[in-house]
Amino acid sequence: GAGVSQSPRYKVAKRGQDVALRCDPISGHVSLFWYQQALGQGPEFLTYFQNEAQLDKSGLPSDRFFAERPEGSVSTLKIQRTQQEDSAVYLCASSLVGTGNSPLHFGNGTRLTVT
Amino acid sequence: GENVEQHPSTLSVQEGDSAVIKCTYSDSASNYFPWYKQELGKRPQLIIDIRSNVGEKKDQRIAVTLNKTAKHFSLHITETQPEDSAVYFCAARGRGSQGNLIFGKGTKLSVKP
Repeated sequence: GAGVSQSPRYKVAKRGQDVALRCDPISGHVSLFWYQQALGQGPEFLTYFQNEAQLDKSGLPSDRFFAERPEGSVSTLKIQRTQQEDSAVYLCASSLVGTGNSPLHFGNGTRLTVT
Repeated sequence: GENVEQHPSTLSVQEGDSAVIKCTYSDSASNYFPWYKQELGKRPQLIIDIRSNVGEKKDQRIAVTLNKTAKHFSLHITETQPEDSAVYFCAARGRGSQGNLIFGKGTKLSVKP
C-alpha cells in the first residue's frame, strides 16, 4: 500500500503561532517515530509511540512540543508558540514492530519555517 | 546513550570509482545498523542494513561491513554512477531503544560523470 504520508508538505508560521503536523503511517505498523532534521544534519530523535502509547519523549526539545497518537494510527506533532530555532524538517517514520529487526520507513517530511 | 560518528562529511568521486563511508558507534550492545540515502528534498530511503550477528552484507553494487570489536561499520559503493549522488546517513539502534535509531551527521556524495 501507500508509504508514510505527512502533511502539510510545507508550513510557514510567524513566531509565536501554534502549528500541527500530521503523520499517517503505513497501515498495520505498530511503531511510529518523529524526528527533527535541521539543514545539513542527520535526523534527531524526538519521540516514539508503540500503538497509542508514547513510550519515549526524551528527544522533545521543550515543553512547547507535544505529540499524540490517540487511536494508534495517525499521529500529530504540535508545536506551541513557535520560535525561529524550530525551523527544520520534521520527519515521521513507522515500523512494523518496535524492536528487533524491523526497518524504519520515512515520510517526505514537513518543512517548517518560522519567520 | 548511543552516539554515532560518520565521516567523511563530503566525498567526491569519478563515475565508475568506488566510494567508502565509515561510521563508529559507542554502545557495544547496539545490534542493528541501517544506511539511508536521502536525495535533496526527499525522504531518507533505506538502502541496506546489517545486524550484529553478521559481518558483511552485499546487495549488487552496495555492501556494508561491520566490525563489532572496533564498533565501526562501513558502506561501500562500487562502480559509482551519477544517480548515486545524494546524502548518505548511517544509523545504529541502541540498547533498550525500543526501535529508535541514532543517526550520523551524513556524508554528501558527489559522483562526477
